[in-house]
Amino acid sequence: ETGVTQSPTHLIKTRGQQVTLRCSSQSGHNTVSWYQQALGQGPQFIFQYYREEENGRGNFPPRFSGLQFPNYSSELNVNALELDDSALYLCASSFVVNTEAFFGQGTRLTVV
Amino acid sequence: GDSVTQMEGPVTLSEEAFLTINCTYTATGYPSLFWYVQYPGEGLQLLLKATKADDKGSNKGFEATYRKETTSFHLEKGSVQVSDSAVYFCALSVNDYKLSFGAGTTVTVRA
Repeated sequence: ETGVTQSPTHLIKTRGQQVTLRCSSQSGHNTVSWYQQALGQGPQFIFQYYREEENGRGNFPPRFSGLQFPNYSSELNVNALELDDSALYLCASSFVVNTEAFFGQGTRLTVV
Repeated sequence: GDSVTQMEGPVTLSEEAFLTINCTYTATGYPSLFWYVQYPGEGLQLLLKATKADDKGSNKGFEATYRKETTSFHLEKGSVQVSDSAVYFCALSVNDYKLSFGAGTTVTVRA
């Protein structure tokens, strides 16, 4: 079975721009969570999607938004990028909400 | 709110040394506890977990015991190897959809 894959691996954006990050969940998983990991810190929960609906959200502003598609892949969109949005963005999938989460390798976003 | 505090690093050890990484937590409910490991250039991998008091999680020679009385979940390994060099994260989950992580502890094992 394939694991969680994220794309792109790295990208550089300019302050004020918009970005879309993508995540393919592990086969059979219907739940996807997104985390932001700033340099030298632990991951912070952004939100979770279960069967295409948002199932919970952390303390992130509305310019962070997401989608989950019928095949359970997911997107994270960030509008009006700020320098502090520079981080590693991690996607995790699980079979259902309460089970073990498997993480992708992350997307390194740099905002300049 | 729910939070995790883990010992600050970096930690540098020689091969075959004993490793302990302290982790304490604060939670409004009854959490499940986890240790995740992040190798250089990779995502997070679940190392071990415990879901109730006095449970011991173990994997790859690492162990951690869920201590409700001291709200702790310290990670230990009796004899580390160079391949154990990584960043280790303690985490908790109360509502079963969100993981709350500590800041991470960088461990470097020298041959």
